[in-house]
Amino acid sequence: AQSVTQPDIHITVSEGASLELRCNYSYGATPYLFWYVQSPGQGLQLLLKYFSGDTLVQGIKGFEAEFKRSQSSFNLRKPSVHWSDAAEYFCAVGAPPKTALIFGKGTTLSVSS
Amino acid sequence: EPEVTQTPSHQVTQMGQEVILRCVPISNHLYFYWYRQILGQKVEFLVSFYNNEISEKSEIFDDQFSVERPDGSNFTLKIRSTKLEDSAMYFCASSFTADFSPPQHFGDGTRLSIL
Repeated sequence: AQSVTQPDIHITVSEGASLELRCNYSYGATPYLFWYVQSPGQGLQLLLKYFSGDTLVQGIKGFEAEFKRSQSSFNLRKPSVHWSDAAEYFCAVGAPPKTALIFGKGTTLSVSS
Repeated sequence: EPEVTQTPSHQVTQMGQEVILRCVPISNHLYFYWYRQILGQKVEFLVSFYNNEISEKSEIFDDQFSVERPDGSNFTLKIRSTKLEDSAMYFCASSFTADFSPPQHFGDGTRLSIL
């Protein structure tokens, strides 16, 4: 069965420091991969997606993610974190013809000054 | 940018009562979804809906749940007889295609509290 693992429940990063959030997936083929962000009281906003091609994908708000097939990973990175990046981050996979997105448990990012 | 709109933002209901959660998907989207997130847990898929039919549903989506597109703009989730464990944030999403290209757009959610 498809699954998504986000090993880190909570991460604290200093403002201006770099960030990497981990995501591993389990699926027979290469699924479509997504990162969503949820700010307090808000819905899920898409940060970036990977379908195929270049394994380094750029997203909104200065985020990027790298797909590594050999490690079944899709880690999210940002070179310099801003206080407004504090939120919950979800990795998700989709595998057509299934329509369901399968989410990880999320990683809560806190930013310290 | 077009948005998925969900109402109400917070719903409080007595256990055993029926509740209807409402969503207005993005206007040219054809596929509609409900997900839920129990506090502290992952976001879970409930159901997808296309052409007035359920396309896919999860094990969570049992006979207590139903979905409907009563008119050209709304998409609803009904829980027939609510239980305490139905307390969760419910997200509606919509998309133009079923193959994640472009991806599903999510609303801000309805927090459902069962007393």
